[in-house]
Amino acid sequence: SQQGEEDPQALSIQEGENATMNCSYKTSINNLQWYRQNSGRGLVHLILIRSNEREKHSGRLRVTLDTSKKSSSLLITASRAADTASYFCALNTGFQKLVFGTGTRLLVSP
Amino acid sequence: DTEVTQTPKHLVMGMTNKKSLKCEQHMGHRAMYWYKQKAKKPPELMFVYSYEKLSINESVPSRFSPECPNSSLLNLHLHALQPEDSALYLCASSQDSLVFNSYEQYFGPGTRLTVT
Repeated sequence: SQQGEEDPQALSIQEGENATMNCSYKTSINNLQWYRQNSGRGLVHLILIRSNEREKHSGRLRVTLDTSKKSSSLLITASRAADTASYFCALNTGFQKLVFGTGTRLLVSP
Repeated sequence: DTEVTQTPKHLVMGMTNKKSLKCEQHMGHRAMYWYKQKAKKPPELMFVYSYEKLSINESVPSRFSPECPNSSLLNLHLHALQPEDSALYLCASSQDSLVFNSYEQYFGPGTRLTVT
C-alpha cells in the first residue's frame, strides 16, 4: 500500500505539553504534507516538506523528514485545547496525487 | 479569498435519486479534487481536474460523475448510489502542479451524504 502509517493512532495530553506524531511510508515521495482536520470538517494544510529537506518550522510546528528511513514526524509544542483534531500526513507520490496516512487523533485537555 | 465552498452541507438521498454536489473556489487555482472520507478514515482521492480536464480517475464507479464547467466550479453528479456510498465528500483546490510535485491543497468543509 502507498498509504502512510501514522502512530500513535490516538494521543491524549494536557495543555502546555508537546505532542509528537509519526508517519512512516514505503514508497518514494516528492514531498510530504501535514493536514489537520477538526471533527467532521474540511482539512487544513499545516506544512509541506520536500524530499530534499530535513526539517521545517512553522510557528509551534516542527516537521522532520528522513527519506532514508521513510519517516516523518510532526511536533506541536506548547499544545492548546484548540489543537484537538485529527492530524494526517499526506504523501505526494507523483503528479497531483496525494495519499493520506491513517491519521492521529489528538486530544488536548485544559 | 482562500475559501473553498461546498453545497449542500448535508444531503440525504434514496438509491434511485439523482443529485449533485457543488464546489467553488476563487483563488485562481487550476487543479480541483474530489475526495471521499468514511468515518475515522483518511480521505481517499476520487478525481482530479487540471485546467478543467479530468486528469485522474481513481477507478471510481460510474454512478459518480464529475464535471468541471469552468475553472472555479466543480460538480459531482450522483445517480443510483448505494448505502455504502454514505460518507463525507470533500472538494479541494490547488495551484496546478509541476509534473512531479504538488502544492498544498485547500479544502472545503465537505458535504455529508447519507444514502437510504
